Amino acid sequence: AQTVTQSQPEMSVQEAETVTLSCTYDTSENNYYLFWYKQPPSRQMILVIRQEAYKQQNATENRFSVNFQKAAKSFSLKISDSQLGDTAMYFCAFMKPRGGRGATNKLIFGTGTLLAVQP
Amino acid sequence: DTAVSQTPKYLVTQMGNDKSIKCEQNLGHDTMYWYKQDSKKFLKIMFSYNNKELIINETVPNRFSPKSPDKAHLNLHINSLELGDSAVYFCASSQGLRNEQYFGPGTRLTVT
Repeated sequence: AQTVTQSQPEMSVQEAETVTLSCTYDTSENNYYLFWYKQPPSRQMILVIRQEAYKQQNATENRFSVNFQKAAKSFSLKISDSQLGDTAMYFCAFMKPRGGRGATNKLIFGTGTLLAVQP
Repeated sequence: DTAVSQTPKYLVTQMGNDKSIKCEQNLGHDTMYWYKQDSKKFLKIMFSYNNKELIINETVPNRFSPKSPDKAHLNLHINSLELGDSAVYFCASSQGLRNEQYFGPGTRLTVT
């Protein structure tokens, strides 16, 4: 069974600085997707970024980028130029996409990292 | 334009009651999900429907019954509510090959 581990329950960063959130996962699969979701105090779950395991290039979305190390099963999220609006719980998630044996499309989440951006 | 909507957003009820949460998506997606977020913020899949067919049914008590009248709707009915059912329930949807799941705003259920 796949598992996702986020070892940092809480983190803090100053506005305009850069912060990296860690995520590791365990799987025997070769084809899978990884995601970072953001949950601000409003409770809404917002997709931040996704990475397909077969792609070597790290995904980037504006100020958000990932460092995907497939062999190490590591998927960290870097937030550059942190803004007050980035304050939220961040969840790393794993998915075996539908189409293969045993694939169900369900997201397996880590326990989350609460990020506070300080003014 | 609301992509995935849930009603109600808040639900307070007593133990033993039966309640339903409704979910609708206007994204044209073919797959919908229910997730439960507990008091420690941990999110776990409960159910998933693809084209109205149940494809995921995790270890969930029989008191929980999903119903998908059409591809755009997935409702969750809970019988004989218990204190431990208190949580935030999220509906989500996705479309085939793209696989991103888009979440609704969540329903906070409080059982007293």
